Amino acid sequence: EIVLTQSPATLSLSPGERATLSCRASQSVSTYLAWYQQKPGQAPRLLIYDASNRATGIPARFSGSGSGTDFTLTISSLEPEDFVVYYCQQRSNWPLTFGGGTKVEIK
Amino acid sequence: EVQLLESGGGLVQPGGSLRLSCATSGFTFSVYAMSWVRQAPGKGLEWVSSISISGANTYYADSVKGRFTVSRDNSKNTLYLQVNSLRAEDTAVYYCATDRSGWYKDSWGQGTLVTVSS
Repeated sequence: EIVLTQSPATLSLSPGERATLSCRASQSVSTYLAWYQQKPGQAPRLLIYDASNRATGIPARFSGSGSGTDFTLTISSLEPEDFVVYYCQQRSNWPLTFGGGTKVEIK
Repeated sequence: EVQLLESGGGLVQPGGSLRLSCATSGFTFSVYAMSWVRQAPGKGLEWVSSISISGANTYYADSVKGRFTVSRDNSKNTLYLQVNSLRAEDTAVYYCATDRSGWYKDSWGQGTLVTVSS
């Protein structure tokens, strides 16, 4: 099973700042990695797929990069609604796995 | 508009069973793979099961293998998850999701809560 480790667990930033979230895989997943956003009480939403492709309707301030075992989700300038939880997910191997999540909170 | 509506959750005793359903609309159900993902209270996301377009191929997390069965009825645009031999650790919100971009979950329902307790 491929283990995805997200860091940091919590990121404290101010609106307008740049957020950098990390996802590290226990073995290579090529670029078969996605990022999701989950707001309280809501289902997750797909942000990025195949490491760097924005899903439909996702604002340009969200970007993804990386390949192999190291991946990054960047939010260029945090909006108030971005202070929520983010998960990565790999589809390289079965079983599909999610990372443990990063919470972005207001500093 | 893509819509996914889960149902069938509830309170069940350990060892019990439930059948979860996910009724879909707004897209061509029969040409997309589908998945179930769960989230225990206050915890992260856990992939549970996926099923191919025809239903011929199914995949399960080790934690549910042999106890859960995923199926689909393409004539009814509905996805199912039969959950048997339930344990306390199966308590979670169960989401159904479309896999229209490979095995990424690009649309999600609002979830149905399964609580396993005596």
